[in-house]
Amino acid sequence: EAGVAQSPRYKIIEKRQSVAFWCNPISGHATLYWYQQILGQGPKLLIQFQNNGVVDDSQLPKDRFSAERLKGVDSTLKIQPAKLEDSAVYLCASSLARGLELFFGSGTQLSVL
Amino acid sequence: DAKTTQPNSMESNEEEPVHLPCNHSTISGTDYIHWYRQLPSQGPEYVIHGLTSNVNNRMASLAIAEDRKSSTLILHRATLRDAAVYYCIRRNAGNMLTFGGGTRLMVKP
Repeated sequence: EAGVAQSPRYKIIEKRQSVAFWCNPISGHATLYWYQQILGQGPKLLIQFQNNGVVDDSQLPKDRFSAERLKGVDSTLKIQPAKLEDSAVYLCASSLARGLELFFGSGTQLSVL
Repeated sequence: DAKTTQPNSMESNEEEPVHLPCNHSTISGTDYIHWYRQLPSQGPEYVIHGLTSNVNNRMASLAIAEDRKSSTLILHRATLRDAAVYYCIRRNAGNMLTFGGGTRLMVKP
């Protein structure tokens, strides 16, 4: 069974630039999550989707971050404009349904210079 | 904010059992206790979860205190591949996983 796919694996940008991350969850998984993990800390939930609808985005900095899952499968997370403090690993996870085990991708490591 | 308290780090010898503690004194009756671990340069992976009773699976055992204010993840025989950050998480009614800082487990050969 294929796992959660994320791309790119690494990204380096300058502050005030835009960046987008892509996630392909495990086939059939209805729930998709984006987490931000700053070095030395645990992952922090940014947004949770159930199919193509947003369940929780209370910790998403909406002035600069946006996410979509238009067809209820793939998802993209965008940052515009990026700040130095956005340097982190962005993890995508999926689960068959809410409340069940999460499967994580390997993440995208973002460096903002 | 679903709080749990774990030691920052622990050491173990290879092939010995490891007991990773977690305090969750404000846990509510419907919160599940989940454990995930994160190996270097990888996303977290599920280990085990439970509500009230002790649980066993192929990876580990979970011992939950009778008052549910604490739990212990037990690795029966640590290997070098078990070196990771272990996260103890309360899963609330909204089904969100809120990660804390975790315990960094170091396994010595």
